[in-house]
Amino acid sequence: DGGITQSPKYLFRKEGQNVTLSCEQNLNHDAMYWYRQDPGQGLRLIYYSQIVNDFQKGDIAEGYSVSREKKESFPLTVTSAQKNPTAFYLCASSMRQGRPQETQYFGPGTRLLVL
Amino acid sequence: AQSVTQPDIHITVSEGASLELRCNYSYGATPYLFWYVQSPGQGLQLLLKYFSGDTLVQGIKGFEAEFKRSQSSFNLRKPSVHWSDAAEYFCAVGAQTGGFKTIFGAGTRLFVKA
Repeated sequence: DGGITQSPKYLFRKEGQNVTLSCEQNLNHDAMYWYRQDPGQGLRLIYYSQIVNDFQKGDIAEGYSVSREKKESFPLTVTSAQKNPTAFYLCASSMRQGRPQETQYFGPGTRLLVL
Repeated sequence: AQSVTQPDIHITVSEGASLELRCNYSYGATPYLFWYVQSPGQGLQLLLKYFSGDTLVQGIKGFEAEFKRSQSSFNLRKPSVHWSDAAEYFCAVGAQTGGFKTIFGAGTRLFVKA
């Protein structure tokens, strides 16, 4: 079955630690996205990528980094510079980026908690 | 600036009753509108979308939504709610703002009582 997988389901971060969230898709989609979800705030865009080796900052990129070395993979690193990382992180993909009518397909999410 | 407003943080309906979730958007051009549903601890799933044409769109799971340009609204409806519909619902607009962006509302959590 085609879809998006995210791992781990839960992740714990210690102070000053960088952690990486995994996102893999087998939908052959060009575009991938990372969102952060906080209660009562909906989804906020962290980074997105239109093609391999290219990515753009979203609305809340500070304290995060990404890479897109393969079409299928778009890992997100939460760095120690992100002072309030506790949230639910959602990865999504769409066939293409740059068209507002594109449907996004979401993974099941990773919940990040700070110890 | 483009925005999406879902006025109701949460709604409770009885099983079998009708449902309407409200969504208002602010966008200067023709909007591309979406409704997504999120079950607890899960990702989002597309329910339906509107781009053009018939202003009443049908989606999955018996949901429909009506686009009203004069009211800048895209309300989601279901004639008879099932307990399995309990979830969070997000309205979104696809906007072309110096690059494509999807803007999500804050969500409405639906509770269904027996």
